[in-house]
Amino acid sequence: GQNIDQPTEMTATEGAIVQINCTYQTSGFNGLFWYQQHAGEAPTFLSYNVLDGLEEKGRFSSFLSRSKGYSYLLLKELQMKDSASYLCAAMDSNYQLIWGAGTKLIIKP
Amino acid sequence: GAVVSQHPSRVICKSGTSVKIECRSLDFQATTMFWYRQFPKQSLMLMATSNEGSKATYEQGVEKDKFLINHASLTLSTLTVTSAHPEDSSFYICSARLPRGQETQYFGPGTRLLVL
Repeated sequence: GQNIDQPTEMTATEGAIVQINCTYQTSGFNGLFWYQQHAGEAPTFLSYNVLDGLEEKGRFSSFLSRSKGYSYLLLKELQMKDSASYLCAAMDSNYQLIWGAGTKLIIKP
Repeated sequence: GAVVSQHPSRVICKSGTSVKIECRSLDFQATTMFWYRQFPKQSLMLMATSNEGSKATYEQGVEKDKFLINHASLTLSTLTVTSAHPEDSSFYICSARLPRGQETQYFGPGTRLLVL
């Protein structure tokens, strides 16, 4: 079956770096999305990876290894506003999104 | 856990016709549901927020007269694409949020619309 795995919750310190991992199993693959979701708000798009490697976008970077079915989201210079849930979602061969349950990131001062 | 269903999962229609997509929360009451649209290899785009018993709140650039949303009960929201055109072909996904302000949204499996 199709499945996405990511940690339920992580805690990090303001100003530090945190890596949120995601593993996926899908029928076919058309890319891996990361979304950020603040409490009470809709998810907001963070990144999209379809080729192996690292995509950097400001303080956030996302990595993909298709052969390993693995991705991670790297957040640098953490700020309090980064406290949110981070959703990993893989797109299968039918262009349907398979969503992870999300990783709640708690930032402490 | 909370389950959200969508129907149909796929639909093909002719240009000019209207298509209705249903979003149901199966084991919880959803005072708020969200409708998203996603084009291939693009991010999920929020179209509107549907609140039970009141008018939907549409995002900027989304035509409310074209995308009719009805949230008549706590378990059902419908999105009607009126006078569909090929450019409306997309992947439409709804999500529902538990009441009492819980932040977790539960997404439906999505509906793929192809307008010929």
